[in-house]
Amino acid sequence: EAQVTQNPRYLITVTGKKLTVTCSQNMNHEYMSWYRQDPGLGLRQIYYSMNVEVTDKGDVPEGYKVSRKEKRNFPLILESPSPNQTSLYFCASSPQVGARLYYPNNSPLHFGNGTRLTVT
Amino acid sequence: KQEVTQIPAALSVPEGENLVLNCSFTDSAIYNLQWFRQDPGKGLTSLLLIQSSQREQTSGRLNASLDKSSGRSTLYIAASQPGDSATYLCAVTQGGSEKLVFGKGTKLTVNP
Repeated sequence: EAQVTQNPRYLITVTGKKLTVTCSQNMNHEYMSWYRQDPGLGLRQIYYSMNVEVTDKGDVPEGYKVSRKEKRNFPLILESPSPNQTSLYFCASSPQVGARLYYPNNSPLHFGNGTRLTVT
Repeated sequence: KQEVTQIPAALSVPEGENLVLNCSFTDSAIYNLQWFRQDPGKGLTSLLLIQSSQREQTSGRLNASLDKSSGRSTLYIAASQPGDSATYLCAVTQGGSEKLVFGKGTKLTVNP
């Protein structure tokens, strides 16, 4: 089954303790992205990756790191989590994005089921 | 900076009604616009994607239109059902970048 898998689904941690949220897709997609969703603020993009070893900042990258060493995996790293990073996080993937979605065989974003992170 | 607005924030309708959800964006330089559905505790499911050169897309009881010049899109849901209850989000892919900008969503409740 084609899917985007995030782990863990729920995570409670303390301020300053490094953590990693994993994201894996089995669709051979080039594009992967991380979002956070907060009440009243909607979904905001943290980082995205166009392909292996290519990553770029989204709108709210501060306090986060990512890596794309393999096509299927795109982990989100919080080196020193703080309470303001308590949020619902989503990973997403797509074969192509942006201008390349202009061509006929485009495909929309596929989302994981989310990771609810609480930092105390 | 691109801003995406969805009105209304919440909508409650009786089963069987046809309804329209609205999405507006401030910068018309977009590559595409997508409509998503989000169920509680779940991720987003893509419903329809409209490229910037297209005017509308249809899937079953759903029809999405795009008027890029006026910065507007609508999602039309025909013969609504209780199973349509969810939050609906629209997102635009900003021209000149690979960034997606989301609206805050419309929470739809369809009452039996």
